[in-house]
Amino acid sequence: GQQVQQSPASLVLQEGENAELQCNFSSTATQLQWFYQSPGGSLVSLLSNPSGTKHTGRLTSTTVTKERRSSLHISSSQTTDSGTYLCAIDERSNYNVLYFGSGTKLTVEP
Amino acid sequence: NAGVIQTPRHKVTGKGQEATLWCEPISGHSAVFWYRQTIVQGLEFLTYFRNQAPIDDSGMPKERFSAQMPNQSHSTLKIQSTQPQDSAVYLCASSLGALSYEQYFGPGTRLTVL
Repeated sequence: GQQVQQSPASLVLQEGENAELQCNFSSTATQLQWFYQSPGGSLVSLLSNPSGTKHTGRLTSTTVTKERRSSLHISSSQTTDSGTYLCAIDERSNYNVLYFGSGTKLTVEP
Repeated sequence: NAGVIQTPRHKVTGKGQEATLWCEPISGHSAVFWYRQTIVQGLEFLTYFRNQAPIDDSGMPKERFSAQMPNQSHSTLKIQSTQPQDSAVYLCASSLGALSYEQYFGPGTRLTVL
């Protein structure tokens, strides 16, 4: 199945700083989703971005399909952004199933 | 729209007992997925249905685990003879299917096997 690597594993920021999260995957994908998970919380879909650049609020995702990588940029971070960000990707041969990275744990300090 | 509903939110079983987990997908969604999340393994795919038909169960342990979708409004995941290593958060997700593959997740059921 698809191999998904996320970096960094953890990130600590001061409120107001920007965050850049990376996701690399091993094979061609047709679907890529970024999720947010609060401690003990459920998965919330942030963006679906299989290619190109997509914005929503303070979030920007850029996916370069040929290079098998995606990034999630969080601008002007807030303490409420703290949690784990997960990248999930399908696989061309099984394009409904999502394969997840291990996540980036973001901590935003006041 | 209530989102994906999962019940119970927490379940504690003794070793060897059976556990049944329930999922109600978003109305109108034709695809339903089951995943499992643990600290060690992260999020892993188990099985999925499309229009109630089982499509792929390649992630399901071959013994003791089974899933069904008797109608479009609910799916169940049954674990027989639960073992401590089955302890995890079991997540259900749904999507529109061919119209959109974006998946929406329920809050999960935390299963603890003593």
